[in-house]
Amino acid sequence: GQNIDQPTEMTATEGAIVQINCTYQTSGFNGLFWYQQHAGEAPTFLSYNVLDGLEEKGRFSSFLSRSKGYSYLLLKELQMKDSASYLCAVSPTDSWGKLQFGAGTQVVVTP
Amino acid sequence: DTEVTQTPKHLVMGMTNKKSLKCEQHMGHRAMYWYKQKAKKPPELMFVYSYEKLSINESVPSRFSPECPNSSLLNLHLHALQPEDSALYLCASSQSAGATGELFFGEGSRLTVL
Repeated sequence: GQNIDQPTEMTATEGAIVQINCTYQTSGFNGLFWYQQHAGEAPTFLSYNVLDGLEEKGRFSSFLSRSKGYSYLLLKELQMKDSASYLCAVSPTDSWGKLQFGAGTQVVVTP
Repeated sequence: DTEVTQTPKHLVMGMTNKKSLKCEQHMGHRAMYWYKQKAKKPPELMFVYSYEKLSINESVPSRFSPECPNSSLLNLHLHALQPEDSALYLCASSQSAGATGELFFGEGSRLTVL
């Protein structure tokens, strides 16, 4: 079966750093995605990891450890507009064409 | 053009109505998807089309009927829906429906069934 876990909610202040963890147990692995979704809007792509290590994109970084079934999304220099839900999604090998989404982590940025 | 366009943005329908949701992309993507998303829940996959052929149907009730007229268009025909079908319906596309590939999502069609 597929299991993707991430915290439900995190709160941080503007300018701070927040790390959103995601653990997964899936049938095979072909990459992990992070998406950002503002309330009432479509998810937008943030990052993709298929090899172990850190991928950095501006204020956002994503890390993957395949042996541990673990990823995190790091948001630096938080801005109010970063308040959103962050979805971890895994591409399993036994489900061609499918992405398995976690339940999402709601990040609340306070002044 | 990196957009997936969905219409209508909002739809209210009765349980006896027949309506359609439309999705269009001009990125040359060969895989298109329908997802359903309830409030505060992740998107749930409904259908995948690959090269205009239905490749995945996630046991979706027959009151939802997908159609892919060509590689740029994806429709979702709705008939005899239930109030619990009220949700945000998201269309997405990717270069192919292989194991990897970034999904580009449309803004969604918010459906309310009365």
